[in-house]
Amino acid sequence: LAKTTQPISMDSYEGQEVNITCSHNNIATNDYITWYQQFPSQGPRFIIQGYKTKVTNEVASLFIPADRKSSTLSLPRVSLSDTAVYYCLVGFAGTALIFGKGTTLSVSS
Amino acid sequence: GAGVSQSPSNKVTEKGKDVELRCDPISGHTALYWYRQSLGQGLEFLIYFQGNSAPDKSGLPSDRFSAERTGGSVSTLTIQRTQQEDSAVYLCASSREVGLSNEQFFGPGTRLTVL
Repeated sequence: LAKTTQPISMDSYEGQEVNITCSHNNIATNDYITWYQQFPSQGPRFIIQGYKTKVTNEVASLFIPADRKSSTLSLPRVSLSDTAVYYCLVGFAGTALIFGKGTTLSVSS
Repeated sequence: GAGVSQSPSNKVTEKGKDVELRCDPISGHTALYWYRQSLGQGLEFLIYFQGNSAPDKSGLPSDRFSAERTGGSVSTLTIQRTQQEDSAVYLCASSREVGLSNEQFFGPGTRLTVL
């Protein structure tokens, strides 16, 4: 299973754009890249998923370069409520998601 | 619509007792996953069900842990002879698994405390 590496923590201020980069050098051909968000005392919540190039939804954008060995989650104009742990995962249907420790994002006013 | 539900939300038990944790997945989701999360840690995969079968049990930490799923729906995770190190939040997730995509929907978890 492909392992991911992402920063342990990041700090930002309200209104700024936040980019969290994740490396996954051993990603397999069938693997999707998925990001989850987790607030304290809650289960993780799906944010965005992509296979290649760029994906955008109402919450975030996901940038994936051609070699797919890394990906960047972009959160536009963060607010205090975006303070959470963000997990980057790779895998495909029928496999367990391997959660690392994620990136703890702290947004201040 | 209804999401993944888990019960109980909290469980306190004494060391050596058996516990059962229940997960009700989203209707129509064929895949079901169990994870556990210790304080301040990431999620640890335990077991995966596709329908009623469990093709991947590799994450179960010991033979005290078992899980079953009946009718392709509800799943029960059983921990026998609980130990203090079993204390954690146990999370269940379900997925439709359309094509290769694997978006998992998580329940609120069961917080297990072993005294």
